Amino acid sequence: AQSVSQHNHHVILSEAASLELGCNYSYGGTVNLFWYVQYPGQHLQLLLKYFSGDPLVKGIKGFEAEFIKSKFSFNLRKPSVQWSDTAEYFCAVSPMNRDDKIIFGKGTRLHILP
Amino acid sequence: GAGVSQSPSNKVTEKGKDVELRCDPISGHTALYWYRQSLGQGLEFLIYFQGNSAPDKSGLPSDRFSAERTGGSVSTLTIQRTQQEDSAVYLCASSWRGLASSYEQYFGPGTRLTVT
Repeated sequence: AQSVSQHNHHVILSEAASLELGCNYSYGGTVNLFWYVQYPGQHLQLLLKYFSGDPLVKGIKGFEAEFIKSKFSFNLRKPSVQWSDTAEYFCAVSPMNRDDKIIFGKGTRLHILP
Repeated sequence: GAGVSQSPSNKVTEKGKDVELRCDPISGHTALYWYRQSLGQGLEFLIYFQGNSAPDKSGLPSDRFSAERTGGSVSTLTIQRTQQEDSAVYLCASSWRGLASSYEQYFGPGTRLTVT
């Protein structure tokens, strides 16, 4: 069975700092990868996803993530964070083209200081 | 169009009582998921429905938990004889499976359950 590990549980940054949130997964086959975000008081929503092709994926609000197959990683990055990026971020993985086996990580709480 | 809706938004119940949580998925979405979100525990998968197929109940934590999906649309999650450890936010999500599907899940606002 697949699993997802988010190493950073709580991250505090100042505005304009660069961000990298780690996500590692374990699964032997081809995968689909996702990052979801939950802003305070709002629903979980998709930030970006990787299915195939270019391993560098760009999402909304200036976020990007790089799939490194050899490292089983899908880290989320943003070069310059804003106070509005304060939220909880979840990495998720599923076997390729399977929507019934999506596993989420425990989440990373990001707090941006103004 | 309307997103995923859940009711009630908050539920406080006494230990030992039964509760029902409701989810209305996005119209046309064939897949429906229930998750439990506890502080520091991420999203715990509970159950998955896909069309008229038998649901995947592998995530239900005990036989006190059950779920139905009527007519391929609305779903109800029932927790019998609630315990304090059942306190959490229960999230529902739906998605569309098709040739062009991105498998993106659309989440509802959740139901915050507190068992006293």
